[in-house]
Amino acid sequence: DIQMTQSPSSLSATVGDRVTITCRAGQSVSSYLNWYQQKPGKAPKLLIYDGVTLESGVPARFSGSGSGTDFSLTISSLQPEDFATYYCHQTYTTPWTFGRGTQVEIK
Amino acid sequence: QVQLVQSGGELRKPGASVTVSCKASGYIFRTHDLSWVRQAPGQGLEWMGWISGYDGNTEYAQKFRGRVTMTTDPSTSTAYMELRGLRSHDTAVYFCARTSKQLDRRFDTWGQGTLVTVAS
Repeated sequence: DIQMTQSPSSLSATVGDRVTITCRAGQSVSSYLNWYQQKPGKAPKLLIYDGVTLESGVPARFSGSGSGTDFSLTISSLQPEDFATYYCHQTYTTPWTFGRGTQVEIK
Repeated sequence: QVQLVQSGGELRKPGASVTVSCKASGYIFRTHDLSWVRQAPGQGLEWMGWISGYDGNTEYAQKFRGRVTMTTDPSTSTAYMELRGLRSHDTAVYFCARTSKQLDRRFDTWGQGTLVTVAS
């Protein structure tokens, strides 16, 4: 199984901050890397797919980069509605695996 | 709009089985696959397997093989996930997620989740 390692596991930030979350795969996943946002009690929401492609309707302050084993999700200017947990997810090979999540909290 | 609506929460005793349903609307059912993902309380996301909306082909994560069965009813655009031999650590919220047939296999729409509680 491909292990997905996210860092940090949590972070505290202020509205307006630039935030970057990283995800490292245990082996190359090419560009088959997705990012999801999950709020408490809700289902995950797709933000980024193919490592860099913004899902329709997702604000442009979210961006993804990387390929192979190293990926990142950046929020250019954190908004109040962005406080949530973020997960990376590889679909290069089954079993499709998720990172353990990064919780973004209000400082 | 694309929507996945899941069945309500369930309480089961250890050793029992549970079936969760996921009704799709807003798109042609056969054009996408459906994955099942679970989330134990306070934990991360775990992929269980996927089923084709076109022909019912399945692929299950090794961890669940022999204990899970995923099926579809194309006439009602509904997918089902049965989990047998329940144990306390199967207590989780179970999600269905529409899965692209493209190479990226992204999960672009999720159901609201179904809480399955296993307790004696």
